[in-house]
Amino acid sequence: SYELTQPPSVSVSPGQTARITCSGDALPKKYAYWYQQKSGQAPVLVIYEDSKRPSGIPERFSGSSSGTMATLTISGAQVEDEADFYCYSTDSSGNHWVFGGGTKLTVL
Amino acid sequence: QVQLVESGGGVVQPGRSLRLSCAASGFTFSNYPMHWVRQAPGKGLEWVAVISNDGSNKYYADSVKGRFTISRDNSKNTLYLQMNSLRAEDTAVYYCASGPVWGKGTTVTVSS
Repeated sequence: SYELTQPPSVSVSPGQTARITCSGDALPKKYAYWYQQKSGQAPVLVIYEDSKRPSGIPERFSGSSSGTMATLTISGAQVEDEADFYCYSTDSSGNHWVFGGGTKLTVL
Repeated sequence: QVQLVESGGGVVQPGRSLRLSCAASGFTFSNYPMHWVRQAPGKGLEWVAVISNDGSNKYYADSVKGRFTISRDNSKNTLYLQMNSLRAEDTAVYYCASGPVWGKGTTVTVSS
């Protein structure tokens, strides 16, 4: 079955740039979506269709995709950005969705 | 406001069934595909199933295929997940979702 691969953890100091990657064979042809999940809360969409930002999401969140890798970038990460981040996409058929394993972002 | 509210979770014995519901409001439910996503305790998100906006197409994760059925009633703005032959590994918080809109989840515990 299709898989998306993320690093288990990323750590940065406040104000630094955090980059979280997501690799998958279908990403050259399928969009990536990124969700942020804080402890005990439902996930929140922060990036859709590779690089679009929903209303209300801070500008420091951006996304890109190249080849088999999608990247979520948090420019000037803040302590309140600490959370688990998940990439989300479909297999090549477009019918079966999958989440990456999740990346725990630590900002301290 | 745009909202999804799940219900129907609870404690159930292995092998039994449960039906989850998700009530939508604040948007045109019939225009959007809908997903069920689950999260086992201390684990990551797992996609469960998706249904097209008109209900004609349904797809499932391998882990639930043949046991779970996703459906929707657009006249009632409600999404369903019928879960049969439940296993301990189905224990999770179950979310309904459509893009940026997620419910708060309902908890299913499968235990004897």
